[in-house]
Amino acid sequence: AQSVAQPEDQVNVAEGNPLTVKCTYSVSGNPYLFWYVQYPNRGLQFLLKYITGDNLVKGSYGFEAEFNKSQTSFHLKKPSALVSDSALYFCAVRDIGTNAGKSTFGDGTTLTVKP
Amino acid sequence: GAVVSQHPSWVICKSGTSVKIECRSLDFQATTMFWYRQFPKQSLMLMATSNEGSKATYEQGVEKDKFLINHASLTLSTLTVTSAHPEDSSFYICSARLAGPSYEQYFGPGTRLTVT
Repeated sequence: AQSVAQPEDQVNVAEGNPLTVKCTYSVSGNPYLFWYVQYPNRGLQFLLKYITGDNLVKGSYGFEAEFNKSQTSFHLKKPSALVSDSALYFCAVRDIGTNAGKSTFGDGTTLTVKP
Repeated sequence: GAVVSQHPSWVICKSGTSVKIECRSLDFQATTMFWYRQFPKQSLMLMATSNEGSKATYEQGVEKDKFLINHASLTLSTLTVTSAHPEDSSFYICSARLAGPSYEQYFGPGTRLTVT
């Protein structure tokens, strides 16, 4: 079975400060990892993914994430937060070995960036 | 590119009636589409996975006869909520993906269903 944990329901940062949204995962094989963002009453938008290769993945809107196999983590980061980054963020994992079709989503983390 | 549309964006219906929600991939062919349900401030709950031309695979606990899914073409999937009840009120989101598990999913904007 595959699972994702986002340990923080809420993350608050001041505009201009760096932000981190945490994600840990569990899969039996090798993972595909994804980050999505959701604005109110909208669907999810893709931010970035890790498939293979460099552990540091760069994505949309200045976001990046680092894949850490030993810690089974895929934390989302941004060097300088914007108020417009305030949204709900979801981490997702897909086990390429045994359950290649479906993604499992974390419970989401609400990011609030204050001016 | 990779745009997924949903229609309608919101719908209000009376108890006992049926509602159809359409999901279209506008600029790519989606071999696989997913239907999710999302409750307020909660994660996405996968309802079913559909592959073009074959029957949908429903997740445990999701009633097949209540949530009818049809994936008739590579660009269109429909979810029909039959004999809707107030507890079916929710935000329904579809997602489409290219062939192969390494591809990201593209999500529709969601449909807000309210059953009165």
